[in-house]
Amino acid sequence: QQPVQSPQAVILREGEDAVINCSSSKALYSVHWYRQKHGEAPVFLMILLKGGEQKGHEKISASFNEKKQQSSLYLTASQLSYSGTYFCGTRRGANNLFFGTGTRLTVIP
Amino acid sequence: DGGITQSPKYLFRKEGQNVTLSCEQNLNHDAMYWYRQDPGQGLRLIYYSQIVNDFQKGDIAEGYSVSREKKESFPLTVTSAQKNPTAFYLCASSIEEAPATNEKLFFGSGTQLSVL
Repeated sequence: QQPVQSPQAVILREGEDAVINCSSSKALYSVHWYRQKHGEAPVFLMILLKGGEQKGHEKISASFNEKKQQSSLYLTASQLSYSGTYFCGTRRGANNLFFGTGTRLTVIP
Repeated sequence: DGGITQSPKYLFRKEGQNVTLSCEQNLNHDAMYWYRQDPGQGLRLIYYSQIVNDFQKGDIAEGYSVSREKKESFPLTVTSAQKNPTAFYLCASSIEEAPATNEKLFFGSGTQLSVL
């Protein structure tokens, strides 16, 4: 039931863009995105619900394609503060979140 | 400030020993969760509780036990039956409301457990 994330790791220079993908083999009701810095607690970024909506959070946005059972996180004009591991969490119905293995993003000057 | 407090930050366990990780929240959230994180892996659910005096097993409950005697507290005991306990443990909480699909999790800062 664990979603699959890709890529596993990515290195960007400041100002570059990145896309992180999250896909599931099961039908989804919602997708959550969290960012975790090393040794710290994951921090909530956004939730996307059924309906194919796209949400934004400053220069970080995401889409949810329920037919394809996948979500993508878009980071534009990356900043050093974007570095961390990004996790997607998927929920089917009222069940708990199942998290992907994470994508480690490193932004360098 | 409202939030989730986990203690201790670092914990060491000897062979055959049970250890308890503390998790306290003052967010007035109904639901609480325990996740285990191993290097290079995602978060895996150990136990969760939606109301006081009730809890359910997650995906990897074997070797762990929990209690939920108070709304704000959800301690996790790593028993001697857990043969590979070294990991980073995260406690989380969420408001339990309908629809459940749009709840977000608030995480504590974690406890790193190591075996001596």
